[in-house]
Amino acid sequence: AQKITQTQPGMFVQEKEAVTLDCTYDTSDPSYGLFWYKQPSSGEMIFLIYQGSYDQQNATEGRYSLNFQKARKSANLVISASQLGDSAMYFCAMRGIDGGFKTIFGAGTRLFVKA
Amino acid sequence: DVKVTQSSRYLVKRTGEKVFLECVQDMDHENMFWYRQDPGLGLRLIYFSYDVKMKEKGDIPEGYSVSREKKERFSLILESASTNQTSMYLCASSLGGVAVPDTQYFGPGTRLTVL
Repeated sequence: AQKITQTQPGMFVQEKEAVTLDCTYDTSDPSYGLFWYKQPSSGEMIFLIYQGSYDQQNATEGRYSLNFQKARKSANLVISASQLGDSAMYFCAMRGIDGGFKTIFGAGTRLFVKA
Repeated sequence: DVKVTQSSRYLVKRTGEKVFLECVQDMDHENMFWYRQDPGLGLRLIYFSYDVKMKEKGDIPEGYSVSREKKERFSLILESASTNQTSMYLCASSLGGVAVPDTQYFGPGTRLTVL
């Protein structure tokens, strides 16, 4: 069975600093995809970044990068130069054949950016 | 841009009432999903649909049903609302298929309170 674990319920970061949000996963599937979503206080989930299990390079999207370590089954999100608007819930998610193509989500990490 | 809309942002219902939550997407996506979100539990899949008139149970389907009569519309039905169904309900859609990342795009959510 597939599983996503986010061990940080909440985190603080100083504005303009970088922050890493942890995500580990478990799957026996050889092919899968990993996603990160942001959920501001408004409630809408916003897609941030995607990493395929066979991608050779770590995914990057602007200030977001995904530190993918396949052997360790981790897919940490790195946000560089944090901004006040980055304060939100962040969810790691995974989709693969093992899960019947359903996407499963972690419990989330709430990030607080301090001015 | 993908647009997913949900019929209500906030809803208050009484125990035993039949409740309809509507979701519409405008990008001709094949897949549609209903999740509920509770603190500390992340998102849990209730039902999903890969095609019109087709539905599949997710991880927590008990007490819910769905309807997909048209491709763009996916309805979640609480047959007899109970207080333990008080939650945030999120609808999502995705392009579909096996070879794509299948990024999901979410609506703004409906916060349902059952009294």
